[in-house]
Amino acid sequence: KNEVEQSPQNLTAQEGEFITINCSYSVGISALHWLQQHPGGGIVSLFMLSSGKKKHGRLIATINIQEKHSSLHITASHPRDSAVYICAVSPITGTASKLTFGTGTRLQVTL
Amino acid sequence: DAGVIQSPRHEVTEMGQEVTLRCKPISGHNSLFWYRQTMMRGLELLIYFNNNVPIDDSGMPEDRFSAKMPNASFSTLKIQPSEPRDSAVYFCASSFGTGPYGYTFGSGTRLTVV
Repeated sequence: KNEVEQSPQNLTAQEGEFITINCSYSVGISALHWLQQHPGGGIVSLFMLSSGKKKHGRLIATINIQEKHSSLHITASHPRDSAVYICAVSPITGTASKLTFGTGTRLQVTL
Repeated sequence: DAGVIQSPRHEVTEMGQEVTLRCKPISGHNSLFWYRQTMMRGLELLIYFNNNVPIDDSGMPEDRFSAKMPNASFSTLKIQPSEPRDSAVYFCASSFGTGPYGYTFGSGTRLTVV
């Protein structure tokens, strides 16, 4: 079992829909990261959070430390949101820089 | 700041050849990471440096891979000899400190070994 699990693996939505991507982890963490990767493109760090909620534009990330779960929400989705969204965690022991990655959620937003 | 700069963007090489990937981290960042991304295994950490010193290279697949960071503004990842199974996208990332700070990734180098 992977230490970081994401669901769903693939997601198709129509423009304007509210989207939720989930991430569950099984290890103690000091922080959780949400990353975005467009097809053939680089990786962009969207959020780093260790508690509560963060919002940036139409993106909202939440984390529940007790339940070891995080969600990434996209409001009013748009085709330009089509990308792979990757959850990654920084371990609480050892070196916090050593991220463990989920396998990603591929999002396709259609008109 | 121009962000993390990687070169080349694409590299096609023949099996057995030496390949060198380059990375310039963000000025002021003192941690640098090399990742490999494949369809089968996703993103994997190969090695990371803090203050130019290799801290953890347990992800380096084998002796054919080596990485250096001669100064705070430059790092290389070398594969010698290259093999088709090394084909992947290699990302460099940098951050400030060794804590769970925000990362900045480079655009990646897509390596194809034929």
